[in-house]
Amino acid sequence: SAVISQKPSRDICQRGTSLTIQCQVDSQVTMMFWYRQQPGQSLTLIATANQGSEATYESGFVIDKFPISRPNLTFSTLTVSNMSPEDSSIYLCSVEVSTGSPLHFGNGTRLTVT
Amino acid sequence: QKEVEQDPGPLSVPEGAIVSLNCTYSNSAFQYFMWYRQYSRKGPELLMYTYSSGNKEDGRFTAQVDKSSKYISLFIRDSQPSDSATYLCAMSASPLGGSEKLVFGKGTKLTVNP
Repeated sequence: SAVISQKPSRDICQRGTSLTIQCQVDSQVTMMFWYRQQPGQSLTLIATANQGSEATYESGFVIDKFPISRPNLTFSTLTVSNMSPEDSSIYLCSVEVSTGSPLHFGNGTRLTVT
Repeated sequence: QKEVEQDPGPLSVPEGAIVSLNCTYSNSAFQYFMWYRQYSRKGPELLMYTYSSGNKEDGRFTAQVDKSSKYISLFIRDSQPSDSATYLCAMSASPLGGSEKLVFGKGTKLTVNP
């Protein structure tokens, strides 16, 4: 497995601002993903963070709203831009330690937008 | 019909009870099945990982897959208050990596009462 550190663990932000969430892994991993978890809903994949290239976004998520970086094999950031109350959610970083292995998750960032 | 159905509960049992958690799915291509445990204010933690049909046991936990019925179960024997958490099922058609996505259930909230 891997130790996944996610920062911040929680934040309260004002409408119209942006928040960058960091995900640091203690070892190199093949894949990094960003998920959103809303109350009563299944975990939803936002995008796959690709090392050294643009992220791959799922349907309903766009780069302008959720820019993602992955400069190396152990670190990624997700920015939630121009936030609205509908963006209030838990955002989770997830990693695949080696090809084909099951996903491991960080503890998430609890975001509240007022 | 949703791809993965999971009864959200909540499920409340006395300490020592046998707990049965279940998911049904519609995609017959699913072959890889996972159970995650998520404590309050924490990220999902991988509990069990199985391939195709059959049973897998790990301590007090048994994962069971019935592909003919498109039905998976997680059994917890001698349940403890520390088992109180939300349990998420997840599945995919092939080992993760590349474009393969993991599909999650909504989670079942379990409380084990001392």
